[in-house]
Amino acid sequence: IQLTQSPSSLSASVGDRVTITCRASQGINNYLAWYQQKPGKAPKLLIYAASTLQSGVPSRFSGSGSGTDFTLTISSLQPEDFATYYCEQLNGYPLTFGGGTKVEIK
Amino acid sequence: EVQLVESGGGLVQPGGSLRLSCAASGFTFSDHYMDWVRQAPGMGLEWVGRIRNRANSHTTEYAASVKGRFSISRDDSKNSLYLQMNSLKTEDTAVYFCARVLGDTLSDHHFDYWGQGTLVTVSS
Repeated sequence: IQLTQSPSSLSASVGDRVTITCRASQGINNYLAWYQQKPGKAPKLLIYAASTLQSGVPSRFSGSGSGTDFTLTISSLQPEDFATYYCEQLNGYPLTFGGGTKVEIK
Repeated sequence: EVQLVESGGGLVQPGGSLRLSCAASGFTFSDHYMDWVRQAPGMGLEWVGRIRNRANSHTTEYAASVKGRFSISRDDSKNSLYLQMNSLKTEDTAVYFCARVLGDTLSDHHFDYWGQGTLVTVSS
């Protein structure tokens, strides 16, 4: 199952609303997770089951979608949110990740 | 506190072998599936493979790119996960992360904890 993330990068300002999309090559129900990764660090789980916020993750992060089309939204971008974001499908083997979306400061 | 600490990375020649370890603490290791994920320099994340828990007979799954060359094992008595890498290729150069899978059911197959990673460099 291939995951296509878009855009591959974006520039945004603090306070902006940011939306990242992830499209699966076939239906994956809601078996999708979103991770945030900062340079030199391990990824951090943000969202699982497409829309469930991981404990401790700020509520400005939200996820939606089912089937083949999914979205990660950051409602008001904060300085600590500049990072690379990955979606991952958990519906079948091999598990696969999207190519990543790098969120940069405008 | 859940902790995952990888070790064993380093420089190895093409065709060589290396064994990575992941020491787990702060949770009941034997209850959880465990995975390896890698990241080549400047690239995205790539799933390597999985070993299920004892309740699921420690069965394994692998990415096509490593199947037949890599082997995942675990020692629940030592709270440790291993990745045996044989016939290494230059394209295996990456940071290798171990990651804990939250639960057995499909809806819980995401990675809730990750190690810090260990760098494997395959070069002559």
